[in-house]
Amino acid sequence: QVQLVQSGAEVKKPGASVKVSCKASGYTFTSYGISWVRQAPGQGLEWMGWISAYNGNTNYAQKLQGRVTMTTDTSTSTAYMELRSLRSDDTAVYYCARESIDFGVPYYWGQGTLVTVSS
Amino acid sequence: QSVLTQPPSASGTPGQRVTISCSGSSSNIGSNYVYWYQQLPGTAPKLLIYRNNQRPSGVPDRFSGSKSGTSASLAISGLRSEDEADYYCAAWDDSLSGPDVVFGGGTKLTVL
Repeated sequence: QVQLVQSGAEVKKPGASVKVSCKASGYTFTSYGISWVRQAPGQGLEWMGWISAYNGNTNYAQKLQGRVTMTTDTSTSTAYMELRSLRSDDTAVYYCARESIDFGVPYYWGQGTLVTVSS
Repeated sequence: QSVLTQPPSASGTPGQRVTISCSGSSSNIGSNYVYWYQQLPGTAPKLLIYRNNQRPSGVPDRFSGSKSGTSASLAISGLRSEDEADYYCAAWDDSLSGPDVVFGGGTKLTVL
C-alpha cells in the first residue's frame, strides 16, 4: 500500500531554515509527483508547490517563490521541502502528498510534520 | 482570504442530506476540475471527490460532487456522526502569475 512517512516535528527561530523529508513506499516513486501542503493552526489548507519525482521539475506557489525549494532523492524514494527565512506565520503542519491521476492534485498524504517558528 | 469560497459551517441531523458549496472564478473552477477533501480532527486530509464527481475506491456513494459554471457542490446523503469533519474544495487556478492549486477556506460540518 502507498505510504508517505514524514520526518519529525521541528522548532526553529525566525530567520532560520527547515528541511522536511517524506519517504515514499508502496509504488514506483518516479511515476508520480509530490505536492506539499501546509496548514497553520486552526486554519485551512495552503498548497505550497509540486515536484516531479521523474525529472525534478518544480512548480512553486507564487507566494513562496524564492523561499522554498523542493527536491527528491530517487535512490531512497524520498522527497524534501526546504523553507528558508522562516517567520512566525510559517508555523504550521506541513504535509507531503502523492498526486492522483491528475497532475499535482494531492491523493495519498503523509502524516504531517509540525514546524514551530518561535524566538 | 481563500481563492475559493466556502461557507464556514454546515450542519445536519443523522440521516439528512447536506450540501456544501464552493464558489470560484473562470480561472479555476470555471476551467478546471474540482476536488473535495475530508479532514477528520487531528488527521491528514482524505480525497473524497476528484474530477468534479468521481469517487476514489473506498469512498461511500453517500458522497457526491457536482459542478456548474464557476461553482461546485459536495453532497452528503444519509448523514452519519462519523461525517463530522472539515471539508475543503480545491482546483487548479490558471492565474497570470502561474498555475497554482487553490483551496477553499474549509467548511466545518457538525452532525447534530
